[in-house]
Amino acid sequence: KAGVTQTPRYLIKTRGQQVTLSCSPISGHRSVSWYQQTPGQGLQFLFEYFSETQRNKGNFPGRFSGRQFSNSRSEMNVSTLELGDSALYLCASSLPGTDTQYFGPGTRLTVL
Amino acid sequence: AQSVTQLDSQVPVFEEAPVELRCNYSSSVSVYLFWYVQYPNQGLQLLLKYLSGSTLVKGINGFEAEFNKSQTSFHLRKPSVHISDTAEYFCAVSEMRAQKLVFGQGTRLTINP
Repeated sequence: KAGVTQTPRYLIKTRGQQVTLSCSPISGHRSVSWYQQTPGQGLQFLFEYFSETQRNKGNFPGRFSGRQFSNSRSEMNVSTLELGDSALYLCASSLPGTDTQYFGPGTRLTVL
Repeated sequence: AQSVTQLDSQVPVFEEAPVELRCNYSSSVSVYLFWYVQYPNQGLQLLLKYLSGSTLVKGINGFEAEFNKSQTSFHLRKPSVHISDTAEYFCAVSEMRAQKLVFGQGTRLTINP
């Protein structure tokens, strides 16, 4: 079974731009969560989607948003990029009724 | 709210030596516990998890962890490490059915020949 896939793997943007990252969960997994990983703050939870609804949200500004499609694929969007948004963005998926999350390889975003 | 403290930011050990990576957590509710490993330029790979039952949990690559409720700890151990175990290890907790992991700051395990 294919794992969680994330595209693109690397991205370079400039301050003020916006970016969209994509995540395809493992087949059958309907919950998708997003995390930000930085050297200073570590791994932080962004949000979680299930059946196209955001069920949980971390402590990030409104510039960070997401959505989930009917096929469980998810996208996250960051508007008005800041230098501090440079990070590895990780997506994880899980089966309904389970609490184990499986992670993708991440998208490394660099903001110049 | 939950929090996780990984007591060592770096752990150097010699190849074939045993290793223990320490993790303490804080939570006012029952939680699930996880250890993930991250190799350079990769995502997180699940090593093992404690959901319920036996407090000694065995995972992949010869790792095991013991859940200690009274000490709120979930230390990771391996009796004999290999060069390929060089990576960063993350302890995480999740409130039941919350799908929200709270991670520790990570422990960088370095294996010396």
